[in-house]
Amino acid sequence: EAQVTQNPRYLITVTGKKLTVTCSQNMNHEYMSWYRQDPGLGLRQIYYSMNVEVTDKGDVPEGYKVSRKEKRNFPLILESPSPNQTSLYFCASSRQGWAYEQYFGPGTRLTVT
Amino acid sequence: ILNVEQSPQSLHVQEGDSTNFTCSFPSSNFYALHWYRWETAKSPEALFVMTLNGDEKKKGRISATLNTKEGYSYLYIKGSQPEDSATYLCAENYGQNFVFGPGTRLSVLP
Repeated sequence: EAQVTQNPRYLITVTGKKLTVTCSQNMNHEYMSWYRQDPGLGLRQIYYSMNVEVTDKGDVPEGYKVSRKEKRNFPLILESPSPNQTSLYFCASSRQGWAYEQYFGPGTRLTVT
Repeated sequence: ILNVEQSPQSLHVQEGDSTNFTCSFPSSNFYALHWYRWETAKSPEALFVMTLNGDEKKKGRISATLNTKEGYSYLYIKGSQPEDSATYLCAENYGQNFVFGPGTRLSVLP
C-alpha cells in the first residue's frame, strides 16, 4: 500500500530534550516536506527536500533540523524543544514538488512541557 | 511570506444544497494552486492541482476553477452530502514552497 508513515504518533516531552520524528514514504517520491498545524492557522511549512541531500527552509524553520540521506526518509529533529513547538506535525511527499499532489502522513501530535 | 486567504471560514448547509467557497492568493510569481480535503482525525487528501489560468477540474460532485490573473480559485460542491463535511484547504506554490490558507470548514446537515 502506498503510504507515508510517521513515528511516533503522539509524544509528550520536556523542554530541552532532543527528539526526532521519523517520516518514511514508499512511493519513490522525490519531494518531501514537513508542516506544523496550530489552531487558527493553516498548515505552515517547516522544511522541504527536493531530493536526496537537498533540503531548504520553509516559512517556519526556526528550532528545527532535517536531513535527507535516503530518498524514502525525511526525519524532523528538534534539538532543544520548547513549549511553543507544541503542535500537530505532518510529513508529506509528492512525485516532484509543486506540480504534483502531496500525500500526507497520519500526523504526530507533540506536546512540550 | 505569501498570504493565502479562504472564505468563508465555516459554513453549514443542508444535505442536497450546492455550495462554493473561495481561495484568494497573490497572483504574481504563480506556480500552482492545490486543493485538499481534510476530515477530522485524518490527514489532508489531495483534490486538485491547477496550474493554468482558466483551469477547471472535476472529481465527482466536486469541481474547481482557477483565475491566476486576479488571484482566486473557487471550489464547488454540487448536492452536498454529510460525508462532504470536512475542512477544505487551498495552497499556493511559490517555487517549491507551499503556503496554505486557513481552510473552510463545511458541515453538511442531514
